[in-house]
Amino acid sequence: AQTVTQSQPEMSVQEAETVTLSCTYDTSENNYYLFWYKQPPSRQMILVIRQEAYKQQNATENRFSVNFQKAAKSFSLKISDSQLGDTAMYFCAFINSGGGADGLTFGKGTHLIIQP
Amino acid sequence: SQTIHQWPATLVQPVGSPLSLECTVEGTSNPNLYWYRQAAGRGLQLLFYSVGIGQISSEVPQNLSASRPQDRQFILSSKKLLLSDSGFYLCARWVNYGYTFGSGTRLTVV
Repeated sequence: AQTVTQSQPEMSVQEAETVTLSCTYDTSENNYYLFWYKQPPSRQMILVIRQEAYKQQNATENRFSVNFQKAAKSFSLKISDSQLGDTAMYFCAFINSGGGADGLTFGKGTHLIIQP
Repeated sequence: SQTIHQWPATLVQPVGSPLSLECTVEGTSNPNLYWYRQAAGRGLQLLFYSVGIGQISSEVPQNLSASRPQDRQFILSSKKLLLSDSGFYLCARWVNYGYTFGSGTRLTVV
């Protein structure tokens, strides 16, 4: 069974700073997808960024980027120039490439607070 | 559009009452659909998975059931709610190597 571990229950940084959220996972699969989801107080799950395991290049989406270390099974999220609207729960998630019965395996989340 | 519609947004139900949460999706036919539950301050737990009409897989034993009467309709039900059924319920679909979530239903059992 796959597991996803987020070791930082809560983080707080000042606006405009850079922050890195950590995530490790455990799997015996070779092909899979990793995701970071943002959940603001509205509780809508919003996809932040996605990484395919077969791609060596780290995914980036504007101010959001990942550091994907496949051998170490590590998938951290870096948020640059943090904004007040980035305040939310952030979940790291994993799925096998087939997208089948297992569904997404989520970490327990990191509560990120951006201070003005 | 791969939009997912969920309703109601909020629901307060007494213990022992029945439950029906509905999820409908737009876009690609024959989607893989999922029901997740999120307890307060926790991550998401997969409850049910469906690859097609009438095909339901359950991930955990519980007081809930799911049905898929139409290709784009996924329903979560209970005959008698328990206090422990309280939580935030999300419908999701797998499409184009990613997940899209509905806006969720906040269920409080009192």
